[in-house]
Amino acid sequence: AQSVTQLDSQVPVFEEAPVELRCNYSSSVSVYLFWYVQYPNQGLQLLLKYLSGSTLVESINGFEAEFNKSQTSFHLRKPSVHISDTAEYFCAVTNTDKLIFGTGTRLQVFP
Amino acid sequence: GAGVSQSPSNKVTEKGKDVELRCDPISGHTALYWYRQRLGQGLEFLIYFQGNSAPDKSGLPSDRFSAERTGESVSTLTIQRTQQEDSAVYLCASSPDGSSYEQYFGPGTRLTVT
Repeated sequence: AQSVTQLDSQVPVFEEAPVELRCNYSSSVSVYLFWYVQYPNQGLQLLLKYLSGSTLVESINGFEAEFNKSQTSFHLRKPSVHISDTAEYFCAVTNTDKLIFGTGTRLQVFP
Repeated sequence: GAGVSQSPSNKVTEKGKDVELRCDPISGHTALYWYRQRLGQGLEFLIYFQGNSAPDKSGLPSDRFSAERTGESVSTLTIQRTQQEDSAVYLCASSPDGSSYEQYFGPGTRLTVT
């Protein structure tokens, strides 16, 4: 069975500061990893994914995540955040037919 | 094209009543998933359909929960004899095939049981 741990339930940062949202997973088999974002009053959207190949994956809005197999992590980073990045971020894993989600991290960006 | 749609967007019901939640997946997507998001918690998997069959029902929390899919399209999640702990946002997702690697989520149905 797989599980996902997002240790930080809330991360407050000022605009233009860097941010890292942590995600660790547990699995006895190879997995695929995802970050989803849920903006206020909106549905869940895929932000980025790791399926294979390069361990560093990027999104179109400046986020990146690196798959680290030895540390079983898939942390999400952005070098300079914007107010519009305020949202709930969910890490997820799968190797079969369903996604297993973490409990989410609320990123609050202040001006 | 149109995304995943869900109805109603909000539902308030009294404890003990039955409710039906509807999901319209993206046209042509063969796989459909239901998840539940309770306040302050992550998403919990409920059930997965491939076509009209449900090979994985492992997440349904009790026999009060059931789901069906017809015509490889619309799905209905039914909760019988609702309880207050059923209050949550119920999310539906679809994907083009049986893999869960590309799931597209609907806006959810917020269920409140009073």
